[in-house]
Amino acid sequence: AQSVTQPDIHITVSEGASLELRCNYSYGATPYLFWYVQSPGQGLQLLLKYFSGDTLVQGIKGFEAEFKRSQSSFNLRKPSVHWSDAAEYFCAVGDNFNKFYFGSGTKLNVKP
Amino acid sequence: EAGVAQSPRYKIIEKRQSVAFWCNPISGHATLYWYQQILGQGPKLLIQFQNNGVVDDSQLPKDRFSAERLKGVDSTLKIQPAKLEDSAVYLCASSLGPDRNQPQHFGDGTRLSIL
Repeated sequence: AQSVTQPDIHITVSEGASLELRCNYSYGATPYLFWYVQSPGQGLQLLLKYFSGDTLVQGIKGFEAEFKRSQSSFNLRKPSVHWSDAAEYFCAVGDNFNKFYFGSGTKLNVKP
Repeated sequence: EAGVAQSPRYKIIEKRQSVAFWCNPISGHATLYWYQQILGQGPKLLIQFQNNGVVDDSQLPKDRFSAERLKGVDSTLKIQPAKLEDSAVYLCASSLGPDRNQPQHFGDGTRLSIL
């Protein structure tokens, strides 16, 4: 069965530091991959998506993610974190049957 | 464009009571999803509608949960009777279509607490 693993439950980084959030998926065919962000008390907002083509995708708010098929990974990165980036981040995969599977999320804290 | 609207934002009930949530998707979005998000977990799909028909309800606990999308626009999700394990945030999302390349737009959710 398809699954998404986000191995880091909590991450704390200093403001201005770089960020990488890990995501590993289990899916036999070519996945459609997504990163969402959820601020407290709000729904999920799409940051970026990967369907095909260039394995490095750019998203909103200065985020990017790289698809690595050999590692079954789709890690999210940002070169310089801002205090407003503190939120929970979810990785998701869409399969050939148009079903979506979400990871359990990574909570990002940003130190001033 | 207006986003996905959900109400109420919060609901507190006692176990064995019933509760209903409402969702109004983005105008023109044919596909509507209800997710359950338990604290510390990612969203889990409960039911997916395409217009007013059910596409997937394989993870909906049908003995207590029901959902409808009359006229293919608004949707309601009901729980009757509620159990303690139903405490969660219930998220509604919509998309233009069911294909996996269609991004889902989420509402702010309804936080349900069962006493």
